[in-house]
Amino acid sequence: GEDVEQSLFLSVREGDSSVINCTYTDSSSTYLYWYKQEPGAGLQLLTYIFSNMDMKQDQRLTVLLNKKDKHLSLRIADTQTGDSAIYFCAEIPGTSGTYKYIFGTGTRLKVLA
Amino acid sequence: SQTIHQWPATLVQPVGSPLSLECTVEGTSNPNLYWYRQAAGRGLQLLFYSVGIGQISSEVPQNLSASRPQDRQFILSSKKLLLSDSGFYLCACTGGDRGYEQYFGPGTRLTVT
Repeated sequence: GEDVEQSLFLSVREGDSSVINCTYTDSSSTYLYWYKQEPGAGLQLLTYIFSNMDMKQDQRLTVLLNKKDKHLSLRIADTQTGDSAIYFCAEIPGTSGTYKYIFGTGTRLKVLA
Repeated sequence: SQTIHQWPATLVQPVGSPLSLECTVEGTSNPNLYWYRQAAGRGLQLLFYSVGIGQISSEVPQNLSASRPQDRQFILSSKKLLLSDSGFYLCACTGGDRGYEQYFGPGTRLTVT
């Protein structure tokens, strides 16, 4: 099917690391993205990874890609209360000629003080 | 970089009334434009996308329609709203220097009563 899967909820304590997981659908997807949505707001592009990479680090964010298992993860180091939000992974399937993204169901991250 | 404007920010409409939501884009030419709907606590559902003026593709059958009268203007409409049309409507675009990346507007919260 064409479902990009994510767990619905994650709760962590402030200062701990958060790991949000995603299983995508199309092994030919070239670009994979992570978005953040704060309450009542649009989606904010956080980071992305090309399919020819295994890992990408951007300040507190680390993206890991396992192409064999079609598994993508986002690690947030030193999680802060401001990181509380919904996180979406997204892929552009290789067959998409119009940059039609497929979004995951979203993971709601709650950071406990 | 692209900036996406949406209005209104919130809207309360009775069942059976018409709808017009507007999205405009700054900072890029000939973008691909997208309308998504997000039900409360849920993921994103792609409603329409457009690759050019007057070119609209519909992803799901419904009582909504979309139009693109100008390059950077995208309108979502309905002749008669249903209760199930309630949700958070997001406009997005791709294009510009980083053509694959999708950027989102702030969204319109629609409540149909």
